[in-house]
Amino acid sequence: KNEVEQSPQNLTAQEGEFITINCSYSVGISALHWLQQHPGGGIVSLFMLSSGKKKHGRLIATINIQEKHSSLHITASHPRDSAVYICAVRTGTASKLTFGTGTRLQVTL
Amino acid sequence: NAGVMQNPRHLVRRRGQEARLRCSPMKGHSHVYWYRQLPEEGLKFMVYLQKENIIDESGMPKERFSAEFPKEGPSILRIQQVVRGDSAAYFCASSPRQVSYSNQPQHFGDGTRLSIL
Repeated sequence: KNEVEQSPQNLTAQEGEFITINCSYSVGISALHWLQQHPGGGIVSLFMLSSGKKKHGRLIATINIQEKHSSLHITASHPRDSAVYICAVRTGTASKLTFGTGTRLQVTL
Repeated sequence: NAGVMQNPRHLVRRRGQEARLRCSPMKGHSHVYWYRQLPEEGLKFMVYLQKENIIDESGMPKERFSAEFPKEGPSILRIQQVVRGDSAAYFCASSPRQVSYSNQPQHFGDGTRLSIL
């Protein structure tokens, strides 16, 4: 069983829909990251969380430390949001990240 | 303010050749991380370096792979005698200090896509 599990693996939505991507982890963490990767592209860091909630534009990330769960929400989705969204955790004093396998999002017109 | 720069973006090698991947961290960053993304798989940690020191190489294959981050110049990930299974995207990330002691995220480069013929 992976330390970081994401769901769903694939997600198709129509433009304007509200999207939720989930991440569960099985270890104690010091921080959780949400990353975005476009096909053939680089990786962009969207959020780093250790508690509570963060918002940036149409993106919202939440984390529940007790339940070992985080969600990434996209409001008013747009085709340019189509990408792979990756959850990654940092455990204890380690600096390295452990990644989920990603959620492939496609937003259609 | 340039981000993390990786080169080349694409690298093609024949089996048995050497591959050298370069990563220049963001200005002011002295910590570098290398990650590998195999086709249709998630990212996996390889190695974490500070200037002139390897801090954690627990994700690095024991043979053929090495990494360095010299006092001057970029970090280099070197793969000797490449095999087909080395085909992957290799990403570098950097941070200004050890991330576990700060709220600083890692900043990623665009990756090097390595293809082995």
